[in-house]
Amino acid sequence: AQSVAQPEDQVNVAEGNPLTVKCTYSVSGNPYLFWYVQYPNRGLQFLLKYITGDNLVKGSYGFEAEFNKSQTSFHLKKPSALVSDSALYFCAVRDIFYNQGGKLIFGQGTELSVKP
Amino acid sequence: EAGVAQSPRYKIIEKRQSVAFWCNPISGHATLYWYQQILGQGPKLLIQFQNNGVVDDSQLPKDRFSAERLKGVDSTLKIQPAKLEDSAVYLCASSLNGAGGPETQYFGPGTRLLVL
Repeated sequence: AQSVAQPEDQVNVAEGNPLTVKCTYSVSGNPYLFWYVQYPNRGLQFLLKYITGDNLVKGSYGFEAEFNKSQTSFHLKKPSALVSDSALYFCAVRDIFYNQGGKLIFGQGTELSVKP
Repeated sequence: EAGVAQSPRYKIIEKRQSVAFWCNPISGHATLYWYQQILGQGPKLLIQFQNNGVVDDSQLPKDRFSAERLKGVDSTLKIQPAKLEDSAVYLCASSLNGAGGPETQYFGPGTRLLVL
């Protein structure tokens, strides 16, 4: 079964410092990987996705993610954190078997807190 | 372009009552998903529609949950009777065709349900 894990429930970063939110995955075959962000009382907003090709994926709001096949990881990064980046971040993998639908399988989420 | 719309945003009911949620996907999106997000967890798929047909309802508690998408556009998710453990945020998402590829799912703001 396909799965993702986010090993940190919370990440604390000072404004202006680089941030990393970790994600590891377990899939059969090549994965389609996604990052979403959720602000309080809001739905999930798409940040970026990995399909194939370049291992460094650039997304919205200055975020990027690095796909590492040997370590089965897809960590989210940003060179300089903003207080407004404080939110809940979800990593997800797409179920690639059509006869099982196309659902996203999510990690449990990582709460990012950026302090001034 | 308008996003995924959901209503109501909040609902409080007593256990054993019934409740219904409504979702209007992004125009032209053939695939519609309902996810359940329990506090502290990532969203989990309840049901996926392709146009007005069900693709995956394997995790839908069919003794109490039902969903329909009669004209292949709007969808309604119903719970009858509700249990305390149904307290969660119900997220609707849509994607262009949902054929198991890497296409992005776009989420609505969610309906927060509290069962007392």
